[in-house]
Amino acid sequence: QKEVEQNSGPLSVPEGAIASLNCTYSDRGSQSFFWYRQYSGKSPELIMSIYSNGDKEDGRFTAQLNKASQYVSLLIRDSQPSDSATYLCAVNIHRDDKIIFGKGTRLHILP
Amino acid sequence: DTEVTQTPKHLVMGMTNKKSLKCEQHMGHRAMYWYKQKAKKPPELMFVYSYEKLSINESVPSRFSPECPNSSLLNLHLHALQPEDSALYLCASSWDTDQPQHFGDGTRLSIL
Repeated sequence: QKEVEQNSGPLSVPEGAIASLNCTYSDRGSQSFFWYRQYSGKSPELIMSIYSNGDKEDGRFTAQLNKASQYVSLLIRDSQPSDSATYLCAVNIHRDDKIIFGKGTRLHILP
Repeated sequence: DTEVTQTPKHLVMGMTNKKSLKCEQHMGHRAMYWYKQKAKKPPELMFVYSYEKLSINESVPSRFSPECPNSSLLNLHLHALQPEDSALYLCASSWDTDQPQHFGDGTRLSIL
């Protein structure tokens, strides 16, 4: 099993709807989880960090963590065309003390 | 604009050249990273420095040589690169190795 898995997409969501991005990970000892947004030709930009089970909200973004099921998700409410990007899930691999990126999910918001 | 500054933004070099990529951060972060990213792929970790010591070397070819002169600076020395090394090279920093990383804008490298 790959350490951090994401559906590559593309995920197409109508403008104004909720976009739901999912990520699963293999290391049960992982404690730190991150979502990055990357526009084409640009560098990754941190948008959310989450460390505890449950939901964490920041503006239109909500990160959800379930350590028992080993998944972390990102919800984007009121999706805008400017949200169209690749979203990278990153997980701290505790045993190796490093962060591993998933392959990313391409999100396309339809105007 | 980011708080991690990378220079140059673009670099074209021949396979026999020697060049260096530079990265600087003044956030007091103690971990710094080099990543390589090809088009439509996630960033691939190359090197990690933690408290100015090389802590992770992901079996990168010896034609890439990292250097951390101090806690704010990170260099990547390039020598005898191959065309397949053409990519976006990203520098990142974080408070510690399990903390969120902040990326620079990257250096787009083309090998002729």
